[in-house]
Amino acid sequence: EDQVTQSPEALRLQEGESSSLNCSYTVSGLRGLFWYRQDPGKGPEFLFTLYSAGEEKEKERLKATLTKKESFLHITAPKPEDSATYLCAVQASSGGSNYKLTFGKGTLLTVNP
Amino acid sequence: NAGVTQTPKFQVLKTGQSMTLQCAQDMNHEYMSWYRQDPGMGLRLIHYSVGAGITDQGEVPNGYNVSRSTTEDFPLRLLSAAPSQTSVYFCASKRNPGANVLTFGAGSRLTVL
Repeated sequence: EDQVTQSPEALRLQEGESSSLNCSYTVSGLRGLFWYRQDPGKGPEFLFTLYSAGEEKEKERLKATLTKKESFLHITAPKPEDSATYLCAVQASSGGSNYKLTFGKGTLLTVNP
Repeated sequence: NAGVTQTPKFQVLKTGQSMTLQCAQDMNHEYMSWYRQDPGMGLRLIHYSVGAGITDQGEVPNGYNVSRSTTEDFPLRLLSAAPSQTSVYFCASKRNPGANVLTFGAGSRLTVL
């Protein structure tokens, strides 16, 4: 069974204080690992897809990396508007996966001014 | 271009009542899906559809029905609501089953008393 574990559950940072969120996963053949951002009262919003170990993607202050067992979302010099819940999800490449994404529980990031 | 539109945004039901959560997308996406999000748990797939007339079960389908008579619409029906179905429901779509980016609606918060 595919599993995704995100840590920490919650993280408080001061504005400008860089840090990383972790996503550990087990999957029967990784088709893709996804990062989403979710603001309170809204649906998740797509950030990145990573396909293979060693791959990196960047968007503004966010950088996602991938190894064979985990992914990191690095946040450089965060701003208060980066406050949100960050969700990690994996999709297996094996047949019969019904295209489903297995989501982690998320990391609630709060950036204080 | 509205994306994925869900109605209603909030609903309170009594145990045993039935209702339909509506989902519509205007992006001509083949794939549509319903997730539920509960505190302390990741998003879980309820049902999905890979095209008009084709639906299948996800991870937690019991107590829910779906149909896909048009490309645009994918309603979720609760036949006899139970308190365990209290949750936030998200509809999500993507261009085709193999596409990477899921576009989510804003969510429907359902409370069953």
